[in-house]
Amino acid sequence: DVVMTQTPVSLSVAIGQPASISCKSSQSLVGTSGKTYLNWLLQRPGQSPKRLIYLVSKLDSGIPDRFSGSGSETDFTLKISRVEADDLGVYYCLQGTHFPHTFGAGTKLELK
Amino acid sequence: EVQLQESGPGLVKPSQSLSLTCSVTGYSITSNYWGWIRKFPGNKMEWMGYISYSGSTSYNPSLKSRISITRDTSKNQFFLQLNSVTTEDTATYYCARYTPGARDFDYWGQGVMVTVSS
Repeated sequence: DVVMTQTPVSLSVAIGQPASISCKSSQSLVGTSGKTYLNWLLQRPGQSPKRLIYLVSKLDSGIPDRFSGSGSETDFTLKISRVEADDLGVYYCLQGTHFPHTFGAGTKLELK
Repeated sequence: EVQLQESGPGLVKPSQSLSLTCSVTGYSITSNYWGWIRKFPGNKMEWMGYISYSGSTSYNPSLKSRISITRDTSKNQFFLQLNSVTTEDTATYYCARYTPGARDFDYWGQGVMVTVSS
């Protein structure tokens, strides 16, 4: 299975400050179609996971442009330009290129 | 709007079968793909499998001998059965819509916590 290594495990950020989460895969996530199936989700406390970004950098509907995704091959990053209170929770990367699809271990974002 | 809701027993005895239902509203399960994901205590997430609009399935090989995903199109529901459960199957189980274009999940249910214990 493809191993998704997500860092840091936790992140403490003040409101208005930027945040960055890394996700590295054990294999290239470029699919045979040429697409890269790397996605980011956020699970807020007490809620189900919510898709933020798909195909590396495409924001899901309603997701503010404070969020951005980048990367290629095996190295990906989620950035929040200015953290807001609503951003706290656990962030996961998910690769959909290889079966079985696999998740990173999660990054817990806390407010400083 | 697409909505999904899991239901099923919150407690299952070891060696028995875990059976969950996902009821979908706002979208027909005869379109798209529909999957199950679980989150273990401590945050680890696992993709379990999905059923397609045509009824074909794909499962995580780690579960292949124990898992079955089926559906009832007349009720717009799909189901998870996991056999021979152990305490390691204790988790929160989510159903979600799987998008083959992005190979991820765009709509999720609220989740149901299942504890395996005697």
